[in-house]
Amino acid sequence: EAGVVQSPRYKIIEKKQPVAFWCNPISGHNTLYWYLQNLGQGPELLIRYENEEAVDDSQLPKDRFSAERLKGVDSTLKIQPAELGDSAVYLCASSSQGGTTRPDTQYFGPGTRLTVL
Amino acid sequence: KQEVTQIPAALSVPEGENLVLNCSFTDSAIYNLQWFRQDPGKGLTSLLLIQSSQREQTSGRLNASLDKSSGRSTLYIAASQPGDSATYLCAVGDDYKLSFGAGTTVTVRA
Repeated sequence: EAGVVQSPRYKIIEKKQPVAFWCNPISGHNTLYWYLQNLGQGPELLIRYENEEAVDDSQLPKDRFSAERLKGVDSTLKIQPAELGDSAVYLCASSSQGGTTRPDTQYFGPGTRLTVL
Repeated sequence: KQEVTQIPAALSVPEGENLVLNCSFTDSAIYNLQWFRQDPGKGLTSLLLIQSSQREQTSGRLNASLDKSSGRSTLYIAASQPGDSATYLCAVGDDYKLSFGAGTTVTVRA
């Protein structure tokens, strides 16, 4: 079974430029998460999707960040414009909630390491 | 807001020694707790998931305990090997959300 796929793996951009990250979750997983991980810290949730609906985007900085999950499968996270402080690893994860309210095991992709110069 | 703390931040042991990694959390009203492993430049791999009603989970050389009332979990790794070198993260599940600690970076010396 293929795991969570993310691209690109690395991205270097200049500040004020736009950037986009793509995630393909494990087949059949209806829940998709985007996390931000700063160096030396644990991941922090940015947004959670149930199918195509963003059910928790309370931690997403909406002035510059946006996300979409068309057709409830792949997802794209965008930053426009990027700032120096956005340099971090952006992780995508998916899980099969099965209709329960408990967080099930989440499967993580390798992440995209963003460097903003 | 759930706060998750992992101590120590880093640990170095000789091969064969048992590892003990600690995790504490501030809000005991949790649904589950998960331990993850992260290798440099890679994503997270789930090691163990303990439901709130459970006291421990075991997988091979790994054993994780949970004391929800005191807000603590411990991950034990028996007979450590150089391949166990990685960062280990604890994550507390509140409803749909995982709150992560900063991790403990383990180095096992051959």
